[in-house]
Amino acid sequence: SAVISQKPSRDICQRGTSLTIQCQVDSQVTMMFWYRQQPGQSLTLIATANQGSEATYESGFVIDKFPISRPNLTFSTLTVSNMSPEDSSIYLCSVVSGQGVTTDTQYFGPGTRLTVL
Amino acid sequence: GENVEQHPSTLSVQEGDSAVIKCTYSDSASNYFPWYKQELGKRPQLIIDIRSNVGEKKDQRIAVTLNKTAKHFSLHITETQPEDSAVYFCAASIGTGGFKTIFGAGTRLFVKA
Repeated sequence: SAVISQKPSRDICQRGTSLTIQCQVDSQVTMMFWYRQQPGQSLTLIATANQGSEATYESGFVIDKFPISRPNLTFSTLTVSNMSPEDSSIYLCSVVSGQGVTTDTQYFGPGTRLTVL
Repeated sequence: GENVEQHPSTLSVQEGDSAVIKCTYSDSASNYFPWYKQELGKRPQLIIDIRSNVGEKKDQRIAVTLNKTAKHFSLHITETQPEDSAVYFCAASIGTGGFKTIFGAGTRLFVKA
């Protein structure tokens, strides 16, 4: 399975500021995603990070608020812009790794716990 | 779009008993069904998965069944132990020509010693 790391692991930020979260994988993966998990809730897909092109956002999430980069097959960043207390959440990087459609498996990074004051 | 419903939201069992969590999905194109265990403060960990060409899969005390006709799948944990206490998420994914996973709401499992 892929080994996924995220930085920072947690942060406390002031409203109106921005935070960039990094996700690094130890091997090339086919797909990378960003999820949000609010306290006591399930995982909600923010966007699919596409290598070398704009991310694909889910309903309710926009590029101006959550710009995403994926410059290569092992690295991606998510920025939470102009933060408000409602953005307080855990942000998780996720990857799909495998040999093809019959073996592709999805794994999660350790998450970044964001608190906005 | 895909919708995944998961029941129950909370499950309490005595150590040694079995636990069953059930999920239904809406998109018949879904072909990959993973289950994740999430302990407090930790990442979701894949514990078992099943693909649409298989009806049942077992790994030690954990088993998953899939009924494609009825669009439901279940997680079975036998001989539960206190360390099984966690939140369990089912998910459904369309894994061909892309990969989009929708998660259930989660089941909080308590195993009482």
